Amino acid sequence: RKEVEQDPGPFNVPEGATVAFNCTYSNSASQSFFWYRQDCRKEPKLLMSVYSSGNEDGRFTAQLNRASQYISLLIRDSKLSDSATYLCVSGGTSYGKLTFGQGTILTVHP
Amino acid sequence: DGGITQSPKYLFRKEGQNVTLSCEQNLNHDATYWYRQDPGQGLRLIYYSQIVNDFQKGDIAEGYSVSREKKESFPLTVTSAQKNPTAFYLCASSKGLANSYEQYFGPGTRLTVT
Repeated sequence: RKEVEQDPGPFNVPEGATVAFNCTYSNSASQSFFWYRQDCRKEPKLLMSVYSSGNEDGRFTAQLNRASQYISLLIRDSKLSDSATYLCVSGGTSYGKLTFGQGTILTVHP
Repeated sequence: DGGITQSPKYLFRKEGQNVTLSCEQNLNHDATYWYRQDPGQGLRLIYYSQIVNDFQKGDIAEGYSVSREKKESFPLTVTSAQKNPTAFYLCASSKGLANSYEQYFGPGTRLTVT
């Protein structure tokens, strides 16, 4: 079983739609979680950190469910510019070691 | 503006040649990392360093070497011993080594070995 698993998609949604991605992690001792977005052939960029019960930043909401070992990302009112690959990241118990999921592809169309 | 720079953006080499990828950061971050990304896969950690003149192997260090002679610089050498060197290489840095610190990435170097 992979340490971090994501549905690769692709998710194709119209502008204005709400879309949610889930990500599961296998290391129950993981303490920190992040969502990154990666545009085609570019570097990953930090979207948001997810601590304790999750957090919200504008149209983006991240939730953490420790009991079921998953985190989610909700995007409301999707924009064309949200089209990207979204990477789920888990910080385990080893210093400096972040584990990246393979990414979920999102395409927002007019 | 602070940031991480990697050069070159694209690199082409013949099989059997060593090649060194540059990574420079002026964020005053203590920790720095090298990852590779292959199509359809997550990022995999090659090497990381917390302080000058010290570094640790990541999950896929075989065929790679690094140095950390100064805080700002963390070059990666892809040696001829690396069996599948063609990949997208990403350098990252963070304030410290704790997993709670966010990592920030440079623009990456696409290496093609033929």
